[in-house]
Amino acid sequence: AQSVTQPDIHITVSEGASLELRCNYSYGATPYLFWYVQSPGQGLQLLLKYFSGDTLVQGIKGFEAEFKRSQSSFNLRKPSVHWSDAAEYFCAVGAEKAAGNKLTFGGGTRVLVKP
Amino acid sequence: DTEVTQTPKHLVMGMTNKKSLKCEQHMGHRAMYWYKQKAKKPPELMFVYSYEKLSINESVPSRFSPECPNSSLLNLHLHALQPEDSALYLCASSQDFGGGYISGNTIYFGEGSWLTVV
Repeated sequence: AQSVTQPDIHITVSEGASLELRCNYSYGATPYLFWYVQSPGQGLQLLLKYFSGDTLVQGIKGFEAEFKRSQSSFNLRKPSVHWSDAAEYFCAVGAEKAAGNKLTFGGGTRVLVKP
Repeated sequence: DTEVTQTPKHLVMGMTNKKSLKCEQHMGHRAMYWYKQKAKKPPELMFVYSYEKLSINESVPSRFSPECPNSSLLNLHLHALQPEDSALYLCASSQDFGGGYISGNTIYFGEGSWLTVV
């Protein structure tokens, strides 16, 4: 069974500073990896996804993530954080079962942005 | 348009009430999902429908009853809930699983329905 670990529960970053969120996964086959963001009181918005090919993936809102198979990681980065980036971030691994897709989420990382 | 619409946004119900949550998508997706999210926790899968047929039930109690009337609509019927069922209920959709992830089978989420059971 697949699993996802996000080691950092909270991260506080100053506006304009860089941000990196860690994600480690466990999956027996080629993983399908996603990063979602959830603003307070909102649903989940897809930031980016990795299926295959280039291991550096560009997403929306200036985010990027790098897939490293040797480290079983899919870390999310942003060079310069804006106050609107304060939210909960979820890494997820997808598995295609015989009867539908199944996403397994990490525990989430809450990002706080200081002025 | 990658939009999944959920109604109502907020629902307060008593433990003896019967209510329903509704979800709609017009992206032509043939897989639809219900997830439950407790405060400060990740979403947990409840049900998956594929081509209007229930394909995954993650051992959800029978007081939650899903229904997929057509390819665009997904309902979650609620009856005799407990206070611990209070949570954010997220609907999602994706292209049919048969296409596989290679074809970009991303799961898109709605904004959720906040349920409070009193």
